Amino acid sequence: AAGVIQSPRHLIKEKRETATLKCYPIPRHDTVYWYQQGPGQDPQFLISFYEKMQSDKGSIPDRFSAQQFSDYHSELNMSSLELGDSALYFCASSFGGEFYEQYFGPGTRLTVT
Amino acid sequence: AQKVTQAQTEISVVEKEDVTLDCVYETRDTTYYLFWYKQPPSGELVFLIRRNSFDEQNEISGRYSWNFQKSTSSFNFTITASQVVDSAVYFCALSEAQGGSEKLVFGKGMKLTVNP
Repeated sequence: AAGVIQSPRHLIKEKRETATLKCYPIPRHDTVYWYQQGPGQDPQFLISFYEKMQSDKGSIPDRFSAQQFSDYHSELNMSSLELGDSALYFCASSFGGEFYEQYFGPGTRLTVT
Repeated sequence: AQKVTQAQTEISVVEKEDVTLDCVYETRDTTYYLFWYKQPPSGELVFLIRRNSFDEQNEISGRYSWNFQKSTSSFNFTITASQVVDSAVYFCALSEAQGGSEKLVFGKGMKLTVNP
């Protein structure tokens, strides 16, 4: 079965650079969530989209922005990267935005040096 | 505000032992969903179970079982006859129904090590 695809899987950036993470949800899923998991931490909700509209926003820094496109894929744009942004970034998708199981992608490991 | 507490941070057992992972949650909503996810060393998050607040039936899936008790706001997870492949970090998570958001709030996770 198709799963959530995230690219790239690994990314190394320097401080103050920008990064773009991509997420391709499971086919027919219309809801995308982004989570950030720091080393040894639990995943923290950043932002979500339902039918291409932002549906909720968590502790996402102003330096980050995201959107969901017409084909339902989503991109998380991160600017002025800081060392503390080093983390595993997960995208999850679900269908209908109604508490169906959120299926997580494999994550993008971002390292900021 | 919603909160999930996993009091145990790390457990180490020997293969074939049974192990129970505790999860206590806080929410003001009457409708909510509880989840368990497994995160093996490779890093991905694997969905294990979802339970809604109106369904207190316990569930068994192979060696896994879940005990949901609204009276104590707990959703505990038991692995019977543990195996080395069960070694992972396990997260309990909560999602509230109100407000139009289904975001997950995770507990801090519990690292399980199963030794041969």
